Amino acid sequence: KQEVTQIPAALSVPEGENLVLNCSFTDSAIYNLQWFRQDPGKGLTSLLLIQSSQREQTSGRLNASLDKSSGRSTLYIAASQPGDSATYLCAGLGGSQGNLIFGKGTKLSVKP
Amino acid sequence: KAGVTQTPRYLIKTRGQQVTLSCSPISGHRSVSWYQQTPGQGLQFLFEYFSETQRNKGNFPGRFSGRQFSNSRSEMNVSTLELGDSALYLCASSFGTSGRMEETQYFGPGTRLLVL
Repeated sequence: KQEVTQIPAALSVPEGENLVLNCSFTDSAIYNLQWFRQDPGKGLTSLLLIQSSQREQTSGRLNASLDKSSGRSTLYIAASQPGDSATYLCAGLGGSQGNLIFGKGTKLSVKP
Repeated sequence: KAGVTQTPRYLIKTRGQQVTLSCSPISGHRSVSWYQQTPGQGLQFLFEYFSETQRNKGNFPGRFSGRQFSNSRSEMNVSTLELGDSALYLCASSFGTSGRMEETQYFGPGTRLLVL
C-alpha cells in the first residue's frame, strides 16, 4: 500500500531564498507524482505532474524531480516570494491503485 | 473555462442528520473524485466516478455514498452524521479517459462541513 510522507511539516524562510520541499513514497512502482498548492481555506491548485517515465518537470520558478529508485520527489522553489506562502502537498498514484495518495503537506511561510 | 464548482461552500449540521454535497466538473471532464480533508488525517480519497459509474472507492464506511449524473455533475451524501465527519470535502475533476487518475486533477474550493 502506497504511503506518502512529507518532511518538514512546516518551513519558514526569508524572501529571496531558494528552497527544497521533500516528499517520499513507499511504492517504487509509482505511476506518477503530482505537486499541489493549497492556500488557507481553499482547494488545491495543481503545480506540476511528473510521469513515472520522467525525471523532472519545470514551471517558472518551480522544478520538481522524481527518483523512483529512492522513493523520493523534491519540489525546488527558486527566489521565494511572500506570495509563495501556502501548504504544498505531494500525491502519488501507485502502480496498483487507481487513486492519488496524499502526503500531509509542508506549510511554507516566506517572510518579507 | 469555468473551474470546478462546489455547493454549498459551508454547512452546519447536527449529529444524526444527513447531508448532500454537489460538485460540477470542468466542462468536458468526465471523472469526478471526492476527498475528505481533516487536520489529523490529511486528504483521504473517498471515491471516483466516471460516466455515471463508481470506478474507485476508498476506505470509508457505507454512510458515505455518491453518484454521478449524465452531465458529469456529482453528488456525495453522508448519512447519520457523526462529529468526526466535520471536514473540508473536496472534489476534483479530470478527463479520466485513461481509466486511472493519471491526468492532472483540478480541484474545487471545497465544502466545509461542521457537525455539532
